Amino acid sequence: AQSVAQPEDQVNVAEGNPLTVKCTYSVSGNPYLFWYVQYPNRGLQFLLKYITGDNLVKGSYGFEAEFNKSQTSFHLKKPSALVSDSALYFCAVRDRGGGGADGLTFGKGTHLIIQP
Amino acid sequence: DADVTQTPRNRITKTGKRIMLECSQTKGHDRMYWYRQDPGLGLQLIYYSFDVKDINKGEISDGYSVSRQAQAKFSLSLESAIPNQTALYFCATSDYSDTQYFGPGTRLTVL
Repeated sequence: AQSVAQPEDQVNVAEGNPLTVKCTYSVSGNPYLFWYVQYPNRGLQFLLKYITGDNLVKGSYGFEAEFNKSQTSFHLKKPSALVSDSALYFCAVRDRGGGGADGLTFGKGTHLIIQP
Repeated sequence: DADVTQTPRNRITKTGKRIMLECSQTKGHDRMYWYRQDPGLGLQLIYYSFDVKDINKGEISDGYSVSRQAQAKFSLSLESAIPNQTALYFCATSDYSDTQYFGPGTRLTVL
């Protein structure tokens, strides 16, 4: 079974400060890891993913995430937050050894609020 | 993502009614999914399809059925809607890279 935990329901950051949104996962094999963002009244938009290779993954809008296998984490980061980054962020995982086209398992989401 | 469209965008219905939500995609992907989103619960997988002849249950399929009419179309039906099926429903597609692309969602309210 696979699972994802986003321990913070909400993260508040001042504009211009670095931000981190936390994610930990559990899979029986090796993971595929994803971050998605959801703006109000919109569908989820893909930000970035880790499949294999470099542990630091760069994605859209200046976001990046670091895969840490020993800590089973995949935290989302950005060096300097913008007010427009305020949204709901989802971490998702799929077991690479799961085979087939199983859907992703999503965390419960973290509201990111960037204060001007 | 305009490549994945869902109809209707909003629907209010009554308990016991049959409802169909439709999803169409122009991305040419074989894989399609239906999720529901409830506040504080994230997204939960209802059904997914590898191709037209392949349908699979997800984690919360009870009370739902699907039809894959063509590569580009994947419909979700609620045979007899109940209030706890009130939620936001998303369709998604993916290619073999596993990245999923989501439609704009359908907000369903069951009274």
